[in-house]
Amino acid sequence: DTEVTQTPKHLVMGMTNKKSLKCEQHMGHRAMYWYKQKAKKPPELMFVYSYEKLSINESVPSRFSPECPNSSLLNLHLHALQPEDSALYLCASSQAVGTQYFGPGTRLLVL
Amino acid sequence: GDSVTQMEGPVTLSEEAFLTINCTYTATGYPSLFWYVQYPGEGLQLLLKATKADDKGSNKGFEATYRKETTSFHLEKGSVQVSDSAVYFCALINTNAGKSTFGDGTTLTVKP
Repeated sequence: DTEVTQTPKHLVMGMTNKKSLKCEQHMGHRAMYWYKQKAKKPPELMFVYSYEKLSINESVPSRFSPECPNSSLLNLHLHALQPEDSALYLCASSQAVGTQYFGPGTRLLVL
Repeated sequence: GDSVTQMEGPVTLSEEAFLTINCTYTATGYPSLFWYVQYPGEGLQLLLKATKADDKGSNKGFEATYRKETTSFHLEKGSVQVSDSAVYFCALINTNAGKSTFGDGTTLTVKP
C-alpha cells in the first residue's frame, strides 16, 4: 500500500479564516513533506518532518504552521492567508530520505 | 545547488507514436532519479525511479536509464496512448541534503 490521503479535497477560505489541511499515511514512513504547487509549475517544498521533528522549513511565511502529531499524521494550519496563497497543496511521505509518495492534494482558494 | 532541466513542452503526439522526454541534472554526490506523472486535477504519481548509475527504471511501458556520464535520465515509451496525456516531472533526491529537486514539467498531449 503506497497511499497518502489528504483532506479536504477542496477548500475555499477568506483572508480572516483559520483552517487546517490534513495528511495521513500508514506506510510506516518517518519523513513527511508539505509542498505548494501553482498551476503549470513544479511542486515547491515548504516543510519537511523527519521522525516527527521539523527538519526543513523553506522560509515559509508564518501564516502557514505545520504540525506533526504522530508518525502517521501531518497537518498544515492556515491563518490570515492571501489570495496569492491559492494553490494545490501536496503532502508526501518517504522512508527516511528516499522515494516520495504523494497524496492527491488539497486545492485551496483564498478569497 | 542541485538542478533538473527538462525539455520544454508542450509535446503533442499521435497515438502509437514514440515518446522521448529529455531530462538532465546537476547534483553533488550520487542522487536518486525519478519520473513522476500528474494527471489533470490530481497529485503526483511515481512513474519510475533509478538509484544508481546504469540502473534502468521501468513501469507501464515507460523506461529511463540513469546515465552518469551524460547526467541524464530521459523518459521513453515505444507507443503512447491517449491515456498517457499528462504532465511529466523529472526529479532528483540528493540524499546528502535530504531534499528533492523537480524539473519544470513537460505537458504531453496524445491525440487519437
